[in-house]
This record gives sequence, C-alpha cells and structure tokens, in this order.
Amino acid sequence: GENVEQHPSTLSVQEGDSAVIKCTYSDSASNYFPWYKQELGKRPQLIIDIRSNVGEKKDQRIAVTLNKTAKHFSLHITETQPEDSAVYFCAATQDQFYFGTGTSLTVIP
Amino acid sequence: GAVVSQHPSWVICKSGTSVKIECRSLDFQATTMFWYRQFPKQSLMLMATSNEGSKATYEQGVEKDKFLINHASLTLSTLTVTSAHPEDSSFYICSARDPFRRSEAFFGQGTRLTVV
Repeated sequence: GENVEQHPSTLSVQEGDSAVIKCTYSDSASNYFPWYKQELGKRPQLIIDIRSNVGEKKDQRIAVTLNKTAKHFSLHITETQPEDSAVYFCAATQDQFYFGTGTSLTVIP
Repeated sequence: GAVVSQHPSWVICKSGTSVKIECRSLDFQATTMFWYRQFPKQSLMLMATSNEGSKATYEQGVEKDKFLINHASLTLSTLTVTSAHPEDSSFYICSARDPFRRSEAFFGQGTRLTVV
C-alpha cells in the first residue's frame, strides 16, 4: 500500500507564529490528500483537503500545498493560537486512507 | 458533515474473550468503511477495508481470523476481536465514506479496548 511520511513529529511554536508540517507519499496514483486534527482521546476531524488537480488551497489561517511531481504536500497554519495545539495527521488516498505518523503541535501562549 | 457512530466507546474484557465493536453511518449509506488501530501518541494504522456484502480486505500483517470484520448492511460494519490478549489493548477507530462526497472520510469516536 501507500507509504506516507510526515515531519516533524513534534513542533512547538509561539502564539502568533506560523507552523508548517510536511508529508511525502509514495504512490503516484493517490489523488486526494486530507489533513486531520486529533485532540487527545477524540476522533480525527478534517480541517482541510486538496485534490491532485490543485496545487494550493487556503481556508482562513490554514493552507495546504501539493507538489505532485515531487510527491509531497504541506500544511501551513498562520497566526497560531493555543487552541491549535493538537496532533495533526496527513493522509494520501486513492481508495484506502493511509495516514502519516502524526505531528504533535504545541502553541505556547 | 456526515455522522459516524461507534459503540462502545470504552470496553474492558478478560483475556480469552471476544469483543465486538460497531460502526454505524447515521445519515448516509457507506459501501466502504475502514478500521484503524491507534497506539498512544502514534498514528492511525489501517487494519482493513470493509466492503458491504463482500469480504473485508486486510492490510499486510493483520490477522483476519483474529480481527473479524462484517459489513452486513450499508450502515453497519462490525469488528470482533477474538480471543483477546492484553497486547490487543488499543484505541480502535472506524471511518466511512459518504458516496456522494466520495473523497472525504468521517470518523467514529473510537473505542478504547483494555484486555485484562
């Protein structure tokens, strides 16, 4: 199946700074790349996604970029807030969802 | 968004017994559901893909005889952990795709299984 790698595994930023999380994938057939936010003990929640025919997508403070040639995509969070603290997962999918290893983001007030 | 409900949210069982976890899509019909296992502070590991009316597709390394999956209807998939052992203790979570919003997957709230 697909192999998704995610970096960094932990990330601490000061409130108001930006955070960037990067993922790479192996299967060129993957065509949908969602990002999920998971708070402790809760279900993952979709925060943004991008399809393979788009290079960039933005939703308020969150943006995702996709480079299909290099098979990598990134999550950008600007003006971070303490409530952004959580674990973030990327995924690559054609049919099955394969998740990255997760990034624990801490926003320091 | 679409709603996926998982039950129970927390279960403790004795070694050697079996535990059934249910995953229901409440407001859409899901032809495909996914089962994941998550260890503390780790990622979601895909265990199997559950297809309505046919056999589940298991990922490499997942014992199909130990983790029985049944997708009997368009709104219900079940995962049964058979002859549970303490090492099966984990957080199990399902997700389902709404065929009208094919790409996006919606997650159940997860089941915390503890085998004693």
